[in-house]
Amino acid sequence: DTGVSQDPRHKITKRGQNVTFRCDPISEHNRLYWYRQTLGQGPEFLTYFQNEAQLEKSRLLSDRFSAERPKGSFSTLEIQRTEQGDSAMYLCASSSPIGELFFGEGSRLTVL
Amino acid sequence: KQEVTQIPAALSVPEGENLVLNCSFTDSAIYNLQWFRQDPGKGLTSLLLIQSSQREQTSGRLNASLDKSSGRSTLYIAASQPGDSATYLCAVRPSNDYKLSFGAGTTVTVRA
Repeated sequence: DTGVSQDPRHKITKRGQNVTFRCDPISEHNRLYWYRQTLGQGPEFLTYFQNEAQLEKSRLLSDRFSAERPKGSFSTLEIQRTEQGDSAMYLCASSSPIGELFFGEGSRLTVL
Repeated sequence: KQEVTQIPAALSVPEGENLVLNCSFTDSAIYNLQWFRQDPGKGLTSLLLIQSSQREQTSGRLNASLDKSSGRSTLYIAASQPGDSATYLCAVRPSNDYKLSFGAGTTVTVRA
């Protein structure tokens, strides 16, 4: 297993465009998380899934953000009508049965 | 709401010196605490996981201690090397939740 993978690694887009990020977790991990990180800060929780069920969403996640995890495997995070304030690193993680989180390399979003 | 603090925000040490990184949290009702390393522009790499029932964990030159009653964890890195230069983050998972709360990290520079 190669760990958690995220795609794309970098995305530059113009304000108002939609973007989608994909995360493939470690295959046997049921729990999947999305976090957002800005420069100099620790990651902030966005949402998490237990299998295909989205169990919690942060208030940071406006209605322009949507996340899915069909069939409990990979997950996507979509941002509609991007704003400059959405520029950040979007991190995906999956959790082992003992609660250890493993992160991917992240998807860096730049909104011009 | 769990608050996690890491002080100092940055430190610089000469090669060979032992590193002591601090993490404090406000709510002692935790499930586990995890230390991560982050290189610039990259994702987070898990270093050590300490379960609530444990007092410390060791991996190679790394040792992490946990004192729940005082709301503190310390990460020790013995005989630092330039390759240890990175940002180190701690994250706490509360006992009644699945999501982690992160500190802002300590950025370490090891001078050759």
